[in-house]
Amino acid sequence: GQNIDQPTEMTATEGAIVQINCTYQTSGFNGLFWYQQHAGEAPTFLSYNVLDGLEEKGRFSSFLSRSKGYSYLLLKELQMKDSASYLCAIKVGNQGGKLIFGQGTELSVKP
Amino acid sequence: KAGVTQTPRYLIKTRGQQVTLSCSPISGHRSVSWYQQTPGQGLQFLFEYFSETQRNKGNFPGRFSGRQFSNSRSEMNVSTLELGDSALYLCASSYQTSLFYSGANVLTFGAGSRLTVL
Repeated sequence: GQNIDQPTEMTATEGAIVQINCTYQTSGFNGLFWYQQHAGEAPTFLSYNVLDGLEEKGRFSSFLSRSKGYSYLLLKELQMKDSASYLCAIKVGNQGGKLIFGQGTELSVKP
Repeated sequence: KAGVTQTPRYLIKTRGQQVTLSCSPISGHRSVSWYQQTPGQGLQFLFEYFSETQRNKGNFPGRFSGRQFSNSRSEMNVSTLELGDSALYLCASSYQTSLFYSGANVLTFGAGSRLTVL
């Protein structure tokens, strides 16, 4: 089966840097996604990693280590609007639109 | 271009009733997936349709069913509603060129249909 773990809650200060970790166990790994979900809204795509290494996109970066079953999402220069739930999800095999999601990490950014 | 549209946005049903939810994907997207989101279980995969065929199904009872039409619009149905079916039902579409697409199929989610079962 598949298992994904990420912290339930995190708190950080505006302007700071925060790292949200995600560990997973699965067979047939075929990519890892990060989504952001504000309360009452739809999840929105942040990043995708399928090879080891760091992907940078503006203030957000995502890292993957396939051998360790580990990923992190790095948010720099935190803003109040970054307060949201961050969802780690893995794609298994070529199963199209089927993603296995973690429980999500609720990030609170304080002034 | 228009996003993923889900209707209705909110609905209240009583136990034993059935409900049908609708999803219109982004134009050109042939894959539609459905997810259930609850505070306790998070996002859980229900099923996926591609070109009117169900290609994947999650671990939900047979009361949960779906279909996809030739224009890629999709519906999901839940029969004999239970209190535990109260959840946010999210539809997501993605662009895939074939049934065995191996690329980074980014899911674009709709705003969801929030179902309350009393």
